[in-house]
Amino acid sequence: QVQLQESGPGLVKPSQTLSLTCTVSGGSISSGSYYWSWIRQPAGKGLEWVGHVFASGSTNYSPSLKSRVTISVDTSKNQFSLKLTSVTAADTAVYYCARYKRGSGSFDYWGQGTLVTVSS
Amino acid sequence: QSALTQPPSASGSPGQSVTISCTGTSSDVGAYNYVSWYQQHPGKAPKLMIYEVNKWPSGVPDRFSGSKSGNTASLTVSGLQAEDEADYYCSSYAGSNNFYVFGTGTKVTVL
Repeated sequence: QVQLQESGPGLVKPSQTLSLTCTVSGGSISSGSYYWSWIRQPAGKGLEWVGHVFASGSTNYSPSLKSRVTISVDTSKNQFSLKLTSVTAADTAVYYCARYKRGSGSFDYWGQGTLVTVSS
Repeated sequence: QSALTQPPSASGSPGQSVTISCTGTSSDVGAYNYVSWYQQHPGKAPKLMIYEVNKWPSGVPDRFSGSKSGNTASLTVSGLQAEDEADYYCSSYAGSNNFYVFGTGTKVTVL
């Protein structure tokens, strides 16, 4: 059974960089069948796709966040990471990592989510 | 890229059916059969319920069914049960520029 687990600071100051890591267990992140994604959800609001990374390191990002987002993969650790720069209060959200199954158009496994608050 | 439009709420009594709509555009829902639906209980991560418009992941009961017509997709929950009370989100692939867009979410209440 594939499991994803987010980790990282729960509090980030405005203008600083938000950094999160997702550790994948029960399956290899090197599989070519999946994209490894970040999705966020502000409190009481809907889901927003942030971006994804393929095992090769190729990435795609949400157009609205593209200038501030970097997603990378470390296949040796079976992990992928998110960096979001110049954060503001609007970036406060629960951040989920998820596995996107190619050819299915769906996110089939999700982490439990981690709350990141942007505040001084 | 705008979010897909869902009704804020829907409700039904136990045993009844409820249908949730998800309206997009000809660039997302209307263009691809990559519509999926997610169930989210409070404080929990979303769970995949339907993919590719009308397919079930392993372990999801067939009380949940999906369909699509033009730019609008729908999720029907038949034989409502108490545990079906949750938020539901649709999602669609939106092409190589915007990739994925989610719906605004629908809170389903079992009366």
